[in-house]
Amino acid sequence: DADVTQTPRNRITKTGKRIMLECSQTKGHDRMYWYRQDPGLGLRLIYYSFDVKDINKGEISDGYSVSRQAQAKFSLSLESAIPNQTALYFCATSDPGTGETGELFFGEGSRLTVL
Amino acid sequence: GESVGLHLPTLSVQEGDNSIINCAYSNSASDYFIWYKQESGKGPQFIIDIRSNMDKRQGQRVTVLLNKTVKHLSLQIAATQPGDSAVYFCAENYGGSQGNLIFGKGTKLSVKP
Repeated sequence: DADVTQTPRNRITKTGKRIMLECSQTKGHDRMYWYRQDPGLGLRLIYYSFDVKDINKGEISDGYSVSRQAQAKFSLSLESAIPNQTALYFCATSDPGTGETGELFFGEGSRLTVL
Repeated sequence: GESVGLHLPTLSVQEGDNSIINCAYSNSASDYFIWYKQESGKGPQFIIDIRSNMDKRQGQRVTVLLNKTVKHLSLQIAATQPGDSAVYFCAENYGGSQGNLIFGKGTKLSVKP
């Protein structure tokens, strides 16, 4: 089983709908992240959380919200989806205690299409 | 503005040859750099990292070189194999927090058998 699990893996929705992407991890990491990937633009940070009571905006947080329900769970919500939110979304975790590496462990991605 | 970019969007190499993937960064305050590999349909995977107090770091078949004078980062893959075919991203961290990782746009590496 994957250490970082994202659901759903694929979703097609309509403009104006509320969408939630969920992420759960079994790595025991405190830090969790949501990234968005668009062709030719690389990965951009939406939100990140360093523990259950900590939520931080990333580079492109407008139009998104997050909830850190537990150490292992971090969900991303689009309250009213719009077509330019069509993208591949990645959840990631990290453990600041893993020596000098800043390694992010990514999930398999959630492909969202907004019509 | 600050940016992380790549010199070449695609790279095609023959199996067994060495590959060099380049990355330019513009934030002089960046103190930590990472290379990720993303295979088709998968999430990015960590390859190797380097701190700004180093200019070279080696892993298994991979070497990262950092030239702070010209703000340039490269990933060298020795004896490239078909399994190395993927998109490679560099990322820089200048905020002292992993939440401030800035990713480049990626280079697609294709390995010809």
